[in-house]
Amino acid sequence: ETGVTQSPTHLIKTRGQQVTLRCSSQSGHNTVSWYQQALGQGPQFIFQYYREEENGRGNFPPRFSGLQFPNYSSELNVNALELDDSALYLCASRPRMGGNEQFFGPGTRLTVL
Amino acid sequence: SQQGEEDPQALSIQEGENATMNCSYKTSINNLQWYRQNSGRGLVHLILIRSNEREKHSGRLRVTLDTSKKSSSLLITASRAADTASYFCATDANTGNQFYFGTGTSLTVIP
Repeated sequence: ETGVTQSPTHLIKTRGQQVTLRCSSQSGHNTVSWYQQALGQGPQFIFQYYREEENGRGNFPPRFSGLQFPNYSSELNVNALELDDSALYLCASRPRMGGNEQFFGPGTRLTVL
Repeated sequence: SQQGEEDPQALSIQEGENATMNCSYKTSINNLQWYRQNSGRGLVHLILIRSNEREKHSGRLRVTLDTSKKSSSLLITASRAADTASYFCATDANTGNQFYFGTGTSLTVIP
């Protein structure tokens, strides 16, 4: 069974640019969530996708958007990057909605200069 | 804002000792989970406790939940150097589709 994978591992962008991060869910998982983790902080919930629809969103502006594909892989897009967007971005998948443990990928470290 | 807060922020113990960390949260929940994170990488699920459970064990881990106090504790017995990591609690705030993590406890186990 393949675990959750994310790409790229590291990324450096400049302020104002756009970035796309990718996540492949664990096999059989149809729910994926994205988190932002600033240095020294806990993960902050960005949004969740279930069967290709967004069905939960944290306190993040609209320039953070996402997609989930029929094979349950997912993308996180961030437009107009700001310095404060520098963080570890984590995706996590679950086999179904509600009450289950989340399986996390290794994360993408984004640095905005 | 973060739903939960872990206490203490940092903990340093000798190998073989027990480590206890606490989590407090703000709203009612369906379940509470504990995760471990090594060196800023992905989180690993440790244990889940449902709101109608009071205690749960898994190997060297013991979790308690007090919904009246909105708090949980994680006990790691007979700690090992490999337990050195950050530990986070996560709650679903009764939504089922949003998970809120605390600020974490950084545990160092000295060999």
